[in-house]
Amino acid sequence: AQSVTQLGSHVSVSEGALVLLRCNYSSSVPPYLFWYVQYPNQGLQLLLKYTSAATLVKGINGFEAEFKKSETSFHLTKPSAHMSDAAEYFCAVSPRGTGNQFYFGTGTSLTVIP
Amino acid sequence: GAGVSQSPRYKVAKRGQDVALRCDPISGHVSLFWYQQALGQGPEFLTYFQNEAQLDKSGLPSDRFFAERPEGSVSTLKIQRTQQEDSAVYLCASSLDGRVGEQYFGPGTRLTVT
Repeated sequence: AQSVTQLGSHVSVSEGALVLLRCNYSSSVPPYLFWYVQYPNQGLQLLLKYTSAATLVKGINGFEAEFKKSETSFHLTKPSAHMSDAAEYFCAVSPRGTGNQFYFGTGTSLTVIP
Repeated sequence: GAGVSQSPRYKVAKRGQDVALRCDPISGHVSLFWYQQALGQGPEFLTYFQNEAQLDKSGLPSDRFFAERPEGSVSTLKIQRTQQEDSAVYLCASSLDGRVGEQYFGPGTRLTVT
């Protein structure tokens, strides 16, 4: 069975500081990996995805994530936090060949301190 | 362009009532997904359609939950005899090609059962 673990349900960073949100998955075969962001009262918006090409994936709003097979991780980073980055972030996996079913982590709430 | 839309955005139901939640996917998208997101949790998969065919309904929590997509576009999630534990945000997502692994989410319907 697939599972996704997001370490840290709440993360606080100062404006301009590095953002690091952690995601680990459990799967014998590397799945597709995604990061989504959710602003209050809005649907999830795709930040970036890893489907099998380069292991360092660049997304929107300056975010990027690196797939590390040996660590079964897909951590999300941004060099310099902006106030507008405050939101809920979800890591998700989709097993290959299963019809695109997603399994989400429990989310990390990012607070940006001015 | 038009994204995924859902209606109503908010629904309050008394315990025991039946509810119907609507999802309008992005035009031309083949795959459609329903998720349930409890407060403070990540979305959990409910069911998946490819065109009008319901290919996976393994996530539906009970036989009170029923989903349909009769013409391969609009979908309705119906919950019969609602219970308090059904209170959640119900998210709909669509995908152009289910094998690619990218879903576009609607804003959700927040259901409160009193």
